[in-house]
Amino acid sequence: KAGVTQTPRYLIKTRGQQVTLSCSPISGHRSVSWYQQTPGQGLQFLFEYFSETQRNKGNFPGRFSGRQFSNSRSEMNVSTLELGDSALYLCASSLRTSGSSVGELFFGEGSRLTVL
Amino acid sequence: DAKTTQPPSMDCAEGRAANLPCNHSTISGNEYVYWYRQIHSQGPQYIIHGLKNNETNEMASLIITEDRKSSTLILPHATLRDTAVYYCIVRVARMDSNYQLIWGAGTKLIIKP
Repeated sequence: KAGVTQTPRYLIKTRGQQVTLSCSPISGHRSVSWYQQTPGQGLQFLFEYFSETQRNKGNFPGRFSGRQFSNSRSEMNVSTLELGDSALYLCASSLRTSGSSVGELFFGEGSRLTVL
Repeated sequence: DAKTTQPPSMDCAEGRAANLPCNHSTISGNEYVYWYRQIHSQGPQYIIHGLKNNETNEMASLIITEDRKSSTLILPHATLRDTAVYYCIVRVARMDSNYQLIWGAGTKLIIKP
């Protein structure tokens, strides 16, 4: 069974640009969540999608957005990049059903974004 | 809104039990405790979770104190491959009936030969 796949693994952007990251969950998983990981702030929750709807959102500015497609694949977008957006962006999928326990999260290896 | 406190680092000898403490003194009655670990350059990996009772699986045991203000993750026979950052996490229920995992800063566990 294939794991969570994130693309691209590494990317470099400059301030002001925008970036789109992709996540393919484990087959059968309908919930996808995104996290930002930095040395200073640790792992911080961005948002969660379930059945193409955003179900949960962390405390990030509106420059951070996401969406989920009918096949459960998800993308996140960061517009007007800032130096502080440099981070490892992790995607996780789970078997969570609507309203139930969060269940075990399966993480991808992440997309490492560097903003210059 | 940190919910957990963990020591920043710990050492353990290979083959011995690794006991990782976590303080969650402000935990509410319906909030679960989760543990994940992150090996260098990989995404976090689920280990175990619990509410009130002690839990055990093939990877580890989770001991939660009776007052639920702290817990200990036990790796019974640590190997070099257990070297990782271990995160103690509280699952918080939100006002909109959803929930969120609040991650702590983690403990860097180093297994020494």
